[in-house]
Amino acid sequence: GNSVTQMEGPVTLSEEAFLTINCTYTATGYPSLFWYVQYPGEGLQLLLKATKADDKGSNKGFEATYRKETTSFHLEKGSVQVSDSAVYFCALSDGASNYKLTFGKGTLLTVNP
Amino acid sequence: EAQVTQNPRYLITVTGKKLTVTCSQNMNHEYMSWYRQDPGLGLRQIYYSMNVEVTDKGDVPEGYKVSRKEKRNFPLILESPSPNQTSLYFCASSRSGGAYEQYFGPGTRLTVT
Repeated sequence: GNSVTQMEGPVTLSEEAFLTINCTYTATGYPSLFWYVQYPGEGLQLLLKATKADDKGSNKGFEATYRKETTSFHLEKGSVQVSDSAVYFCALSDGASNYKLTFGKGTLLTVNP
Repeated sequence: EAQVTQNPRYLITVTGKKLTVTCSQNMNHEYMSWYRQDPGLGLRQIYYSMNVEVTDKGDVPEGYKVSRKEKRNFPLILESPSPNQTSLYFCASSRSGGAYEQYFGPGTRLTVT
């Protein structure tokens, strides 16, 4: 079956630091890949996505590239802000599993001023 | 405003007392799903629905029921709740199966004593 593995953290950074959250996946088909973000007390919001190999998803300064050869979708941001403090989830979806989202366990990011 | 609503947001109940968590979306989405979020386990799918009157089990369906009589509503029913169903529950919807964004509700925190 499908699975997603991401670094669990917690990750604590100073403002303006560089962020990487690693994500690797196992899938039987050709999945679409997502990063969702959960701010305290809220539901999940889509941050970015990529639907095929070598696609780069980007939003709000965050980027991730779909790497089929390494089965990875690492999240990066060049300069984090305090407002980026949240839990980040890597996820995949494919037709073979009826398009359910398979999530990693989440990474708590705290950014200090 | 496009949204997924859930009610109640918080619920404390006792073992065996039937309860229903409602979920409604105003985006005319075909696909709806329920997830539970537990510490260290991330989010896991309980049930999903591809359209009206079409529902199927996710990864952790035991102890739950769902129905999809109308396109906008997808209630989650716990016929006889047990303490191991204490969790944070999220409803989500999307246009259809595929690489479409899933929109999440704000969550329902359930405690079963």
